Amino acid sequence: GQQVMQIPQYQHVQEGEDFTTYCNSSTTLSNIQWYKQRPGGHPVFLIQLVKSGEVKKQKRLTFQFGEAKKNSSLHITATQTTDVGTYFCAGLWGGGADGLTFGKGTHLIIQP
Amino acid sequence: NAGVTQTPKFQVLKTGQSMTLQCAQDMNHEYMSWYRQDPGMGLRLIHYSVGAGITDQGEVPNGYNVSRSTTEDFPLRLLSAAPSQTSVYFCASSFRGGGTGELFFGEGSRLTVL
Repeated sequence: GQQVMQIPQYQHVQEGEDFTTYCNSSTTLSNIQWYKQRPGGHPVFLIQLVKSGEVKKQKRLTFQFGEAKKNSSLHITATQTTDVGTYFCAGLWGGGADGLTFGKGTHLIIQP
Repeated sequence: NAGVTQTPKFQVLKTGQSMTLQCAQDMNHEYMSWYRQDPGMGLRLIHYSVGAGITDQGEVPNGYNVSRSTTEDFPLRLLSAAPSQTSVYFCASSFRGGGTGELFFGEGSRLTVL
């Protein structure tokens, strides 16, 4: 089946540093979504990207969708302790009535 | 609105026992799905439904059964529990099916099979 590869698996940062996680697909995606899961919690939707080259911002979070719609990134500027958690991308391929395929996630660990 | 409600939150089973994880949503979503989450594996789709009376298999369906008799409810049945089914299970729903809309997740059900 189709897969989205997400890197890195873990990222340790000092509070105030930036953080980026990347997702890659070998084939063109129809759309990509991003979710955040706090420790012990459930995934919560952050954003959906649909258009080639799309860039969306939510306060300190910047989401990008590649021109070829095969890759995406989430960048957090000046991390805060509230950013701790696991960030998942989830991809959908054309005609994919099956549902989203999730990446394995990036665990963000912040040292104060 | 309660959103997506899962029960039970925790369950311990012995190998070979059967059980049902309940999932209910009050948002009138047509699409509902079950995922399992294992360390280092992300979220893997077990079964999904695009509406009442319609179900289909996801990536890891073996050992699980589902039905969708109403829009609101989507129970997941473990027919004969195995230790490999020890996991955290999440039910999720969406207004639009198949990954074109935001997924709303329940709080999860942590299952241990001894």
